[in-house]
Amino acid sequence: AQSVTQLGSHVSVSEGALVLLRCNYSSSVPPYLFWYVQYPNQGLQLLLKYTSAATLVKGINGFEAEFKKSETSFHLTKPSAHMSDAAEYFCAARGSNFGNEKLTFGTGTRLTIIP
Amino acid sequence: GAVVSQHPSWVICKSGTSVKIECRSLDFQATTMFWYRQFPKQSLMLMATSNEGSKATYEQGVEKDKFLINHASLTLSTLTVTSAHPEDSSFYICSARAATRGEQYFGPGTRLTVT
Repeated sequence: AQSVTQLGSHVSVSEGALVLLRCNYSSSVPPYLFWYVQYPNQGLQLLLKYTSAATLVKGINGFEAEFKKSETSFHLTKPSAHMSDAAEYFCAARGSNFGNEKLTFGTGTRLTIIP
Repeated sequence: GAVVSQHPSWVICKSGTSVKIECRSLDFQATTMFWYRQFPKQSLMLMATSNEGSKATYEQGVEKDKFLINHASLTLSTLTVTSAHPEDSSFYICSARAATRGEQYFGPGTRLTVT
């Protein structure tokens, strides 16, 4: 069984500052990892994903994440926050073997951008 | 590409009635669809997984007789909440996965309010 932990349910950063959202996973084998963004009353939009290729993954809207097996982490970063980045962010994991499609979500991190 | 829609986006119903939510993959054939439930300020919890033409597989603790799922075609899955009660009020999100793609694509969600 796998689990996903997001440290910090609420993160606030100033506009233009670095965004760092933390995600750690627990799994017997390295899973596939995802970051999703959710705006109010909307579904989830995929930001980026790690599927055992490059450990540094670049996504949409300037976000990127680095898979670190030694730390069982997949933290999400963005060099310069924009007001439009304010949203809820979810880290998720699923098994890397074919057919194992169930996603396990973290509890989410609400990102607030301070003008 | 890979657009998933849900209908309705918001529904209010009276306690004891049933309500049906549709999930459609608009530009691909979804061999597998997933239904999630999200309470306010919480993460997504998988309710069930449905494969086209097969019975849905429900997660532990989800009442299959209360949450009826039908995946009759490769582009449509429905979730029917039967005899709804106020505690069923929640945000319901579906996702769809094609046979040729590894990731899930999420719908915009349906907010159900039971009065």
